[in-house]
Amino acid sequence: EAGVVQSPRYKIIEKKQPVAFWCNPISGHNTLYWYRQNLGQGPELLIRYENEEAVDDSQLPKDRFSAERLKGVDSTLKIQPAELGDSAVYLCASSEGTGGDGYTFGSGTRLTVV
Amino acid sequence: QQQVKQSPQSLIVQKGGIPIINCAYENTAFDYFPWYQQFPGKGPALLIAIRPDVSEKKEGRFTISFNKSAKQFSLHIMDSQPGDSATYFCAASPTGTASKLTFGTGTRLQVTL
Repeated sequence: EAGVVQSPRYKIIEKKQPVAFWCNPISGHNTLYWYRQNLGQGPELLIRYENEEAVDDSQLPKDRFSAERLKGVDSTLKIQPAELGDSAVYLCASSEGTGGDGYTFGSGTRLTVV
Repeated sequence: QQQVKQSPQSLIVQKGGIPIINCAYENTAFDYFPWYQQFPGKGPALLIAIRPDVSEKKEGRFTISFNKSAKQFSLHIMDSQPGDSATYFCAASPTGTASKLTFGTGTRLQVTL
């Protein structure tokens, strides 16, 4: 089993530029989560999808962040425009259902905004 | 507002020692308490989890102790090994599952020979 696949692994961009991250969850996992992990901190939940529906996006900064999960499988998280404070690791996780069975994180995308 | 407070920030133990990591929470609605292990460049991986109906849970060398009245829980690693060197995060959720996790700030553990 491939696990949760994220790309790219690393991204360096200048401030005010757009950036996008991609996540492919484990096959059969209909719940998908995006987290942000700042250096030396624990992950912070940004958004949770059940199939293609965003059921919890209360922590997503909607002025510059957006996410989509078309067809309820892959997901993308976008930042436009990026700010210096957005430098962090963006983690994706997936689980079989709302009960969190098989909850698995990907290895993340490390974003550096310069 | 930091809803889950974790300590210590870092910890060094010798091989065979028993590191203990502590977490305290404020939200009485939390009812699921997992611990995650994270190696550099990897995402967190679930180690062990507990719900408030029990005071202790053991899986292999990892034990969670839970004190509902004090709103505290801790992770004990028995017979620690150098391969246990990693960052450990406690977390809590009000849904009985991992669907809405709030993480602690992490403890960097180093196990020396």
